[in-house]
Amino acid sequence: GAVVSQHPSRVICKSGTSVKIECRSLDFQATTMFWYRQFPKQSLMLMATSNEGSKATYEQGVEKDKFLINHASLTLSTLTVTSAHPEDSSFYICSASSHQGYTFGSGTRLTVV
Amino acid sequence: GENVEQHPSTLSVQEGDSAVIKCTYSDSASNYFPWYKQELGKRPQLIIDIRSNVGEKKDQRIAVTLNKTAKHFSLHITETQPEDSAVYFCAASSGNYGQNFVFGPGTRLSVLP
Repeated sequence: GAVVSQHPSRVICKSGTSVKIECRSLDFQATTMFWYRQFPKQSLMLMATSNEGSKATYEQGVEKDKFLINHASLTLSTLTVTSAHPEDSSFYICSASSHQGYTFGSGTRLTVV
Repeated sequence: GENVEQHPSTLSVQEGDSAVIKCTYSDSASNYFPWYKQELGKRPQLIIDIRSNVGEKKDQRIAVTLNKTAKHFSLHITETQPEDSAVYFCAASSGNYGQNFVFGPGTRLSVLP
């Protein structure tokens, strides 16, 4: 079946630095990728939708200049958390949409200290 | 936009008993309803899904029912086992390629031995 590889699985960074999270579709072309954020004991909240070759669509309340999304190829989408702060600490997870269905990445636990 | 509610938020059952989790949705255009099981720090795992042209679907101990008129769907787990303990999320989507999910807030299921 369709597999989405997400890296890193866990990252600790200092406040003010940037962190890049990658999601790569291994055996299919992911025209659309969704980025979710999940705070402890809460549900998955959609942050943005990225389409290959075009600008991402951000949900209301999500700062596009802070959460940079790049979907430059049909197999790779990246989320960069810029100038990270402790309140950005969360579980970030991508999901790819293809004609094969929806597939989640394994998630990235970001801790900003 | 779509709004998905889920109840209960926590559920404890004795091993061997049944568990039922209910979700309601608001957008009549939604026609795809997956259920995900998420263990701590891991990606959501699809356990069962149903489309709006079907009223019920069963897979071994797990079943899902859908009432499209009332806009609600339920997850039924029979003969619960300790390994069923996890957080369960329902979701709704238009099911069209490239459409994201709207997740319910989740239900923490604890199966007591």
